[in-house]
Amino acid sequence: GQQVMQIPQYQHVQEGEDFTTYCNSSTTLSNIQWYKQRPGGHPVFLIQLVKSGEVKKQKRLTFQFGEAKKNSSLHITATQTTDVGTYFCAGHNDYKLSFGAGTTVTVRA
Amino acid sequence: EAQVTQNPRYLITVTGKKLTVTCSQNMNHEYMSWYRQDPGLGLRQIYYSMNVEVTDKGDVPEGYKVSRKEKRNFPLILESPSPNQTSLYFCASSFGTAPEVDTQYFGPGTRLTVL
Repeated sequence: GQQVMQIPQYQHVQEGEDFTTYCNSSTTLSNIQWYKQRPGGHPVFLIQLVKSGEVKKQKRLTFQFGEAKKNSSLHITATQTTDVGTYFCAGHNDYKLSFGAGTTVTVRA
Repeated sequence: EAQVTQNPRYLITVTGKKLTVTCSQNMNHEYMSWYRQDPGLGLRQIYYSMNVEVTDKGDVPEGYKVSRKEKRNFPLILESPSPNQTSLYFCASSFGTAPEVDTQYFGPGTRLTVL
């Protein structure tokens, strides 16, 4: 079945630095969504990418969808303490939603 | 307020004792889904429902049942819970029967421990 792999599993970042988390699917996706889960909270939708090669920005967050629609990335610039949490990608195909294992981000002040 | 509610939020039970976790949404969403979250494994889909009386298996359906008799409710049933079902469970819903284009709204989660 469809598998979505996400790396790295953990990301320890110095405040102010940049980092990227990557998502790869074993199959071509209809679209990909990104969610953020704060410690003790539930996943909250960030963004959805649908088109091949699509790039979207939300302030310091940049999301990309690969040309083959099998991979995606989230790049965060100038990391802040508010960025702490786990970031999940989720690939859609045939009504099923497959989540990556998530990247848990901690920030050193 | 638009929301997905789950009950109970916390539950400790014993092996073999049937339990139900309720999920309700007030957004008139057609698509509803259950996930379990385990460390290092992310969110894995248990069952989903595209509309009333339409349900289908996700990636990890073994040991679970669901029903969708009403649009707003999607209970998760564990007929005979086992310790390997100890997990954090999330219910989610979205508009339309085509979730490819819809945001998933998650409930607050139910932390289940099976002894």
